[in-house]
This record gives sequence, structure tokens and C-alpha cells, in this order.
Amino acid sequence: GAVVSQHPSRVICKSGTSVKIECRSLDFQATTMFWYRQFPKQSLMLMATSNEGSKATYEQGVEKDKFLINHASLTLSTLTVTSAHPEDSSFYICSARDPGQGLAGNTIYFGEGSWLTVV
Amino acid sequence: GENVEQHPSTLSVQEGDSAVIKCTYSDSASNYFPWYKQELGKRPQLIIDIRSNVGEKKDQRIAVTLNKTAKHFSLHITETQPEDSAVYFCAALNGGTYKYIFGTGTRLKVLA
Repeated sequence: GAVVSQHPSRVICKSGTSVKIECRSLDFQATTMFWYRQFPKQSLMLMATSNEGSKATYEQGVEKDKFLINHASLTLSTLTVTSAHPEDSSFYICSARDPGQGLAGNTIYFGEGSWLTVV
Repeated sequence: GENVEQHPSTLSVQEGDSAVIKCTYSDSASNYFPWYKQELGKRPQLIIDIRSNVGEKKDQRIAVTLNKTAKHFSLHITETQPEDSAVYFCAALNGGTYKYIFGTGTRLKVLA
């Protein structure tokens, strides 16, 4: 089945610095990828929709200047958490849809997730 | 905005009993309803899904039902086993935007 790879799986950064998380679709071209944040014991909250070649669409309440999303190619989307603070510590997970699957293209594939700890 | 309500938030059942988790969605444009199982720190795993033109789907011990009129869908797990213990999320997909909205999750504990 389709595979989505996310890197790094764990990252610790100092408060005030920036950290980049990558999401790659390994065997399909993903025109759309999604970024979620999941706090402990909570659900996945959609942060933004990443569109290849255009600006990301952010959900209400998500700061676009803080969470920079770049979808420069059909297989790669990156999320950069800028000026990170301890409250940004969370599990970040991406997903991608394979548009080549026709009706089955409703299925999305998740990356492995990235644990971010800001100290 | 769109939301998906999920109940219960926690559920404990004896091994061998059945478990039912219910979700209600608000977006009329939702046309696809997957269920995910997530273990701590891992990515969600798709366990079953149902499309809006189907009322029920079954896969071995797992079944999902959909009532489009009421905007309800449910997950049914029969003959539960300890390895079924995990957090389960429902989701609803908007077929136009391909945005998934997830339910709040249910922590299922199967007691041996």
C-alpha cells in the first residue's frame, strides 16, 4: 500500500529556535497533504492543508506565521515550527491522499508522526 | 465549523464481550467515514471504513453502520480481545475539500 514517511520521529529543541518536520509520499504523488497536531490523550486536530505549488490553507486558530508549511514538490511537504515554545510540544503527524486511486482516493495515509519537545 | 462528536470517551469491556462506539457528524458534505485505531505514540491505523452510499459494512469481528439521515455512524467490535485495547477515532471526510475531521477518541480497555 501507499507509504508516507515522516522525519524526524523525535526532536528536542530549545525554546526560541525553529524546527522542521518533513513529510514524504514514497510511492505516489500527493497534490494535497495534511498536517495534524495531537496533544497527549487528545484527538488529531487539523492544522492546515498543504497544497503543492500554492499556499497552505490554515484552520481557524492556527498561526500561519508560526507554523510555516511548504509543499514544493509532489512528494514533499514540510512543517516548520518557528520560535518554538514549550507549549508547542506535541505529536505532529502528516497525512497524504493518493489522487490516483479514483474512488479509493478518499483513503489517506499517515506518516509515522514526530514528537516535538521544546525545552 | 464542522465537527465530529464521539462517545463514549472511555469504554471498558470484558474479554469476549462486544464494544460499540458512536459518532455524529455535522457536515452534510461528508461522504466517507473511516475508523482508526491508534496506539500510544504511533500513527493511526485504518481498521474499517464506509462510504455514504452504504448502510453497513462488516470485516470479521468489526462492523460499521451509517445512518445518513441522522448523521450517525457506529463501530461495533464483537468477541473483543485484549489486543483490541487502544484508542479509536472516527472521522468524516468532506468529499469536496478532502479534509478529514476526527472525533474526540474512545479509549477502549478489554479486560482479560
